[in-house]
Amino acid sequence: DTAVSQTPKYLVTQMGNDKSIKCEQNLGHDTMYWYKQDSKKFLKIMFSYNNKELIINETVPNRFSPKSPDKAHLNLHINSLELGDSAVYFCASSRGGAKNTGELFFGEGSRLTVL
Amino acid sequence: QQPVQSPQAVILREGEDAVINCSSSKALYSVHWYRQKHGEAPVFLMILLKGGEQKGHDKISASFNEKKQQSSLYLTASQLSYSGTYFCGTLEYGNKLVFGAGTILRVKS
Repeated sequence: DTAVSQTPKYLVTQMGNDKSIKCEQNLGHDTMYWYKQDSKKFLKIMFSYNNKELIINETVPNRFSPKSPDKAHLNLHINSLELGDSAVYFCASSRGGAKNTGELFFGEGSRLTVL
Repeated sequence: QQPVQSPQAVILREGEDAVINCSSSKALYSVHWYRQKHGEAPVFLMILLKGGEQKGHDKISASFNEKKQQSSLYLTASQLSYSGTYFCGTLEYGNKLVFGAGTILRVKS
């Protein structure tokens, strides 16, 4: 039973298209994140939500819009895709509040290729 | 601001030891270590909290010197399974975990 699951695992699309990535966690965690890992393996945080509330919104183009319908789900929608959006997008979750140790549980990643 | 890791890459033979360093220009309250194998997600190794505590995980241990704003990850008697990219992370306001650029470790037989 996968703790943090993302779909799809692979996306190949043309520039200018819109795409979404979905993430679900069954760990009962309060906080969820999106990280972007580029071709140089640099892991950069994009967003985090705590119990459906946006907490972290890094300097990310507004073509990227996260949505958290409930605390177990965090989706990422990307409009007007550009070549530079090609990367692996990781969803992660952690316990929130006083129980939070900072340990992140990552999903398997979604590899986005923009042609 | 992301922590700085060194070295960028290291190649070892099985059984050899390695040290990966992580430093920050900011005051640190905790340092987090993750390992990512090729094509997989990062996996948590350990967290070190303020107090200079040294932690261990099998033959992988780490130290944290908050005065020097540094942490080191020690891999002893390395095994092939240790190969991967090691990331240190520092926790910022809002539970934001900021990662270093990573250190690629390759263990050869």
